[in-house]
Amino acid sequence: AQKVTQAQTEISVVEKEDVTLDCVYETRDTTYYLFWYKQPPSGELVFLIRRNSFDEQNEISGRYSWNFQKSTSSFNFTITASQVVDSAVYFCALRRFTSGGSYIPTFGRGTSLIVHP
Amino acid sequence: GAVVSQHPSWVICKSGTSVKIECRSLDFQATTMFWYRQFPKQSLMLMATSNEGSKATYEQGVEKDKFLINHASLTLSTLTVTSAHPEDSSFYICSARDVLRIEPYEQYFGPGTRLTVT
Repeated sequence: AQKVTQAQTEISVVEKEDVTLDCVYETRDTTYYLFWYKQPPSGELVFLIRRNSFDEQNEISGRYSWNFQKSTSSFNFTITASQVVDSAVYFCALRRFTSGGSYIPTFGRGTSLIVHP
Repeated sequence: GAVVSQHPSWVICKSGTSVKIECRSLDFQATTMFWYRQFPKQSLMLMATSNEGSKATYEQGVEKDKFLINHASLTLSTLTVTSAHPEDSSFYICSARDVLRIEPYEQYFGPGTRLTVT
């Protein structure tokens, strides 16, 4: 069975602070994909990143960075110099890799990020 | 590319009536579409997987007679909430899979439909 845990229900920061959203996952598969999605108040899920289990290289995209640690089954997401527009719910998700498996991701419960001006 | 639309974006209906939500893949063919439900401050819960031309596969605990899913074409799937009750009020999100893409069957999400049953 797969499981994604986002222990932080809500995080509140002041603009320009750095913030890290935690994601810990469980899976018996050796190959899998990990995702982060952003859900702003409008509701639409915005894809942020996909990472496969073969690639443990950390990634940076502008103010966003992701730290994938297979040894600790974690895929944490850091926003540097947060902005009010970053306020949203962020979901971490896990999906099986093989064609014989399910293509349906398992979502975490989400972390609500509130960035105050 | 890979845009998924939903219509309506929000709907209010009276208890006992039925409401239909459409999910369309605008620029790709989607042999498989997924329907999710999301309660306030909750995660996405998969309701069913819809395959073009065949019956939908429902997740455990989801009433198939209440949530009718039709996937009649490669670009359209519909979810009909029959005899809606206030507890059906929720945010419904669809996603679609593009089988022609090289990526491992990535899903693309629609913007969601907010249903309120009064």
